[in-house]
Amino acid sequence: QVHLVESGGGVVQPGGSLRLSCAASGFTLTDFGMNWVRQAPGKGLEWVTFLRYDGKNQYFADSVKGRFTVSRDASKNTVFLQMSGLTAEDTAVYYCAKEGVSGGGLWPRHLDSWGQGTLVTVSS
Amino acid sequence: DIVLTQSPGTLSLSPGERATLSCRASRALVSNYLAWYQQKPGQAPRLLIFGASNRAAGIPERFSGSGSGTDFTLTITRLEPEDFAVYYCHQYGSSPQVTFGGGTKVEIK
Repeated sequence: QVHLVESGGGVVQPGGSLRLSCAASGFTLTDFGMNWVRQAPGKGLEWVTFLRYDGKNQYFADSVKGRFTVSRDASKNTVFLQMSGLTAEDTAVYYCAKEGVSGGGLWPRHLDSWGQGTLVTVSS
Repeated sequence: DIVLTQSPGTLSLSPGERATLSCRASRALVSNYLAWYQQKPGQAPRLLIFGASNRAAGIPERFSGSGSGTDFTLTITRLEPEDFAVYYCHQYGSSPQVTFGGGTKVEIK
């Protein structure tokens, strides 16, 4: 059974950095692309980034490009989201989500499993 | 980027009624790569439909998706109490950029 657990959220000052983790179980990260999606308080869903199943390609929303990076540790079956230059607009619950197709194509696919999310608050 | 517009913003219905939710794309979607998710307060989204009309594993038959090109619909044939939630459409698969619609809230009338 697929299980995703995010951690690393918290309160950070504007301009600061934070690293989120997503521990995966029930499947192998090297078979599926992974995404991060965020949701600001009371707002809708915003896609943040996609790391392709082979780890060779990653894509970002324009709102985070140049400030966020995504990586993984296959040996720990864990994905990371490194965030820097944080602003109040980055305040949100951050979800990691697994794509629904193994060995998927070049681009992100539908998301069939989601973690419970971790809250990031950017505030002084 | 492709913009997804969901309507209506809020749908007020009674249990047992039929719900019809719309999602319109700013340009035609490749291979009808359109998904629908349900989200309840305090919970993560749950995949309902992918590829415009394919039900995800474990999703009841009362949920169905249809449409192609730029116009897509999620239909819930008979609303159950647990179906009152927010629903999002999501386009994917045609470029690195992924977008979600703004959501439709289905509330109890």
